[in-house]
Amino acid sequence: AQTVTQSQPEMSVQEAETVTLSCTYDTSESDYYLFWYKQPPSRQMILVIRQEAYKQQNATENRFSVNFQKAAKSFSLKISDSQLGDAAMYFCAYKEEGQAGTALIFGKGTTLSVSS
Amino acid sequence: NAGVTQTPKFQVLKTGQSMTLQCAQDMNHEYMSWYRQDPGMGLRLIHYSVGAGITDQGEVPNGYNVSRSTTEDFPLRLLSAAPSQTSVYFCASRRGAYYNEQFFGPGTRLTVL
Repeated sequence: AQTVTQSQPEMSVQEAETVTLSCTYDTSESDYYLFWYKQPPSRQMILVIRQEAYKQQNATENRFSVNFQKAAKSFSLKISDSQLGDAAMYFCAYKEEGQAGTALIFGKGTTLSVSS
Repeated sequence: NAGVTQTPKFQVLKTGQSMTLQCAQDMNHEYMSWYRQDPGMGLRLIHYSVGAGITDQGEVPNGYNVSRSTTEDFPLRLLSAAPSQTSVYFCASRRGAYYNEQFFGPGTRLTVL
């Protein structure tokens, strides 16, 4: 079974600095998708960024970028120029490609605090 | 376009009571699912549906029932609430089972005393 591991329960960063959140996953599939979700105190789950496994180029969304290492099964999230509004819990998630009933599999989350 | 809606936002139950958590989406999405979120556990899949009339179990289905009579609605029923079911519950949907972007509702915080 696929698993997703986030080894950092908590991280902290100062405003304007850069922080990297780690995620590793285990799968025998070659086609899949990876996601980072943000959950602020409001509890709403917000999609931050997504990566298709067949794409070698790392995904970027404004200040958010990923370092996708397929052979190492690693998918880290880098937040540049951190802002107070980035404080949240971040979840890494995995989904197989092409399976009708496939759900997202989530890691346990990393709580990010941002200080001024 | 309201997206995915859940009611209620908060609920307190006594052990043994039953209740239904409501979930609706107005995006004509085929795939809907229910997760529970517990501290230190991430989100775990309870049940899911790939279309009206079709449901299946996820990772933690015990104590929960679902049905999908319409495309829009996917209620989650707690048959006899237990303290172990104290959690935050999220409903999610996506356009089709093969699509990847998943939309989440705002969650329901349930406490079972």
